[in-house]
Amino acid sequence: DQQVKQNSPSLSVQEGRISILNCDYTNSMFDYFLWYKKYPAEGPTFLISISSIKDKNEDGRFTVFLNKSAKHLSLHIVPSQPGDSAVYFCAASAYGSARQLTFGSGTQLTVLP
Amino acid sequence: GAVVSQHPSWVICKSGTSVKIECRSLDFQATTMFWYRQFPKQSLMLMATSNEGSKATYEQGVEKDKFLINHASLTLSTLTVTSAHPEDSSFYICSAIPISIDYEQYFGPGTRLTVT
Repeated sequence: DQQVKQNSPSLSVQEGRISILNCDYTNSMFDYFLWYKKYPAEGPTFLISISSIKDKNEDGRFTVFLNKSAKHLSLHIVPSQPGDSAVYFCAASAYGSARQLTFGSGTQLTVLP
Repeated sequence: GAVVSQHPSWVICKSGTSVKIECRSLDFQATTMFWYRQFPKQSLMLMATSNEGSKATYEQGVEKDKFLINHASLTLSTLTVTSAHPEDSSFYICSAIPISIDYEQYFGPGTRLTVT
C-alpha cells in the first residue's frame, strides 16, 4: 500500500515555463514533507521541505504548497531550466522531522531548451 | 557541508559471497543513519535505521540476518549483504541526519551491487 504517491511518472516542460510536480499521501499522521532531486546513479539531493503547520514554503525558484485537507502537495519550479531535468521524489515523515521518510515513486522532469 | 560518502560506488560479486558497503558522514556527526534500496525506475525503499551504539531497526520484510548493519561510530555505518544472491542486485543508498538538526536527511551517492 503506497502511502505516498506520485501519479505522473514523467513531465516535460519548456525552458522558462513553470514545472508543477504533484504528490498525494494517504497517511494522516504525516506532518513533514520534503522534495528531493535525483540524477541517475547518484543519491537524492534535498530541495525544499514543509511542515504541516504551513501551507507554503518558498526557496528561490522552488515553492512547495501543502493542502492538508486534500492530502496533496506540489512543487513549483519557476522558471524551469534544463539543469532541472532529473527525477523528483516527494517524501513524508510522521515525526515532524526528516526521520523515517516514506518516498513516492518519483517523477522524471525533462526541461526542453 | 553535510557530505555523505559511500564506498564502494559499485561492486560485482559472485553468488554466495558477502559484500560490505560503508557509509560515512564526512563533515558532521550522525547518531542516526538510514539504509535504502532502489530498484530501477522505482522509489527508495527504507531498509533499516542505523543507530550509533545500538542495534539497527529493520523495516518489515527486510531480513536482518541477511543485511547486517553496524553503526560503530558517529560518522560510520556499514551494511553487509551476506550470502548474496542475484536478487540482491540493486542500488543501495545511505543517508544521515546530523546531531541536533533533523529537518533534512543527507544522502550518499549510492552503491550499485551486481551479484552474478
